[in-house]
Amino acid sequence: DVKVTQSSRYLVKRTGEKVFLECVQDMDHENMFWYRQDPGLGLRLIYFSYDVKMKEKGDIPEGYSVSREKKERFSLILESASTNQTSMYLCASSPSVQGLEAFFGQGTRLTVV
Amino acid sequence: AQKVTQAQTEISVVEKEDVTLDCVYETRDTTYYLFWYKQPPSGELVFLIRRNSFDEQNEISGRYSWNFQKSTSSFNFTITASQVVDSAVYFCALRVNTGFQKLVFGTGTRLLVSP
Repeated sequence: DVKVTQSSRYLVKRTGEKVFLECVQDMDHENMFWYRQDPGLGLRLIYFSYDVKMKEKGDIPEGYSVSREKKERFSLILESASTNQTSMYLCASSPSVQGLEAFFGQGTRLTVV
Repeated sequence: AQKVTQAQTEISVVEKEDVTLDCVYETRDTTYYLFWYKQPPSGELVFLIRRNSFDEQNEISGRYSWNFQKSTSSFNFTITASQVVDSAVYFCALRVNTGFQKLVFGTGTRLLVSP
């Protein structure tokens, strides 16, 4: 079974803190993604990585950065957390072959107070 | 630009009823892929089906069926004889065959199946 694992299910952080969300996949997938899910807005892409140390901005990259030092691990970083970053964060991975489905982690519900 | 519209925000049915979830997409690409995902209360998105733009055959898998119509840019999902375990948020998504394979999601449809 493909497994995408996010380090935390729930996180509560204070405004201004630096926050790390970690994601690990065990299927040797080239592509990894970070999405944000908000009610009424569906899933929106924050960042994407297609290889180690490679990254591309998604639709809403402002206030976020990412790191991919190893193929299996993709980290999302909130440099200075703000209350408007309270959300559900979903990590996904997929092979580089065109058209194949992405597999998702269980999500991290982040609350910034 | 690519876009996916799921006009139904929430649907409530009673167990054993049939229910159809609508999905309309927009893209100028001729090669693209459509997906349905299920998100149960646990939060993880579960892949249900993939369809490419050259394959308009409808598909049936148990109680689930999908109707892909390029003429109307729709990829609708029907659950026959719904069950309480079908209660979830369902997302339709589009991936085009260019760029870095970004998935564009609809806003989701919440399905509530009551006993």
